[in-house]
Amino acid sequence: DQQVKQNSPSLSVQEGRISILNCDYTNSMFDYFLWYKKYPAEGPTFLISISSIKDKNEDGRFTVFLNKSAKHLSLHIVPSQPGDSAVYFCAAREAGGTSYGKLTFGQGTILTVHP
Amino acid sequence: NAGVTQTPKFQVLKTGQSMTLQCAQDMNHEYMSWYRQDPGMGLRLIHYSVGAGITDQGEVPNGYNVSRSTTEDFPLRLLSAAPSQTSVYFCASSYGQVREQFFGPGTRLTVL
Repeated sequence: DQQVKQNSPSLSVQEGRISILNCDYTNSMFDYFLWYKKYPAEGPTFLISISSIKDKNEDGRFTVFLNKSAKHLSLHIVPSQPGDSAVYFCAAREAGGTSYGKLTFGQGTILTVHP
Repeated sequence: NAGVTQTPKFQVLKTGQSMTLQCAQDMNHEYMSWYRQDPGMGLRLIHYSVGAGITDQGEVPNGYNVSRSTTEDFPLRLLSAAPSQTSVYFCASSYGQVREQFFGPGTRLTVL
């Protein structure tokens, strides 16, 4: 039972254009969402996050949108750069209790930005 | 700060062998966890710890053991390696209410 899903295994965009990575979730108890970026042979690194009380969070070229009614979030990268080529993981945290701190990850989307 | 360190980087085991994957962090983080990454599966939580002396199971704990005797270290033990445990293992840590987890560089394990 995949609670966090990234249905696009890969995405290819041209340098300078927008990259949109999507993520869907099923667990209504998730209260915090994160995006991680992963380069080959390295551990994931935190990129941006959003609380369930917000619908948008922006950090430089990266913006995350949350649509709670649709249980959907997306990461927008504008403008895309070749250095953004990596695997992007969506993750979600369940609110409180014994699940505190536990993250559930999606399968990942491989982003390739062509010069 | 070295951050989160993991050893070894690579390991090949034979079925039935046991070994310990080491993880250490120097950020005084309370929360530490172990994940495995498999193709098409994302990262799945194996075990986690909310502080020294406290551990709990994640999504895929079978075949693995953990202990947390100090804040800094969180080793993962494979009791009797199986080919299904071939994977890349990541250790992560975070501090208190901070949501972002910091990941180590990973250990690539192959079980023959």
